[in-house]
Amino acid sequence: EVQLVESGGGLVQPGRSLKLSCLASGFTFSNYGMNWIRQAPGKGLEWVASISSSSSYIYYADTVKGRFTISRDNAKNTLYLQMTSLRSEDTALYYCARLFMDAWGQGASVTVSS
Amino acid sequence: DIVMTQAPLSVSVTPGESASISCRSSKSLLHSNGITYVYWYLQKPGKSPQLLIYRMSNLASGVPDRFSGSGSETDFTLKISRVEAEDVGIYYCGQLLENPFTFGSGTKLEIK
Repeated sequence: EVQLVESGGGLVQPGRSLKLSCLASGFTFSNYGMNWIRQAPGKGLEWVASISSSSSYIYYADTVKGRFTISRDNAKNTLYLQMTSLRSEDTALYYCARLFMDAWGQGASVTVSS
Repeated sequence: DIVMTQAPLSVSVTPGESASISCRSSKSLLHSNGITYVYWYLQKPGKSPQLLIYRMSNLASGVPDRFSGSGSETDFTLKISRVEAEDVGIYYCGQLLENPFTFGSGTKLEIK
């Protein structure tokens, strides 16, 4: 069974940093590109970043470019999202998903507030 | 960026009836490989989104065949036949042709 489990969410002050992790199981993680997608409270889906299977290709939404870094460790079957200079508008549930979004995690909640 | 426009914002359906949701893209989603990169997702209340339809018209694994997708290069439709109570939630179309990937604003389906 394909499983994606996010962790690392929490309450953080504006301007601070946070790192999310997504542990994958049930499939060959190193064969798949991955995404981070977020959903602000009561809002729709917003794609955040993508990374190819070998980390050769990385893309970011303009709203997070220069502040967020997506990375992966194929030996640990884990996807990461390093978030810096956090803003209140980054408050959201952050999902990891496979490249074509055929599998999603349960989400990690990030709240940016003083 | 490719803009995805969904309609209606909400739909209320009697069980057993059909429902259709439209999605329009600001650019053709037909790739030169012949694949149209539009996807449909359902987010049930309190749950993560789940894939329903991939590449415009292909049913995802485990999804009932009451769901179907169709369309052209820029206009797409998700049809739900014989709506059931378990179909309630928010339906999103999304384009995975090019970065940034973008989604429609969602259509909320309710049961009468």
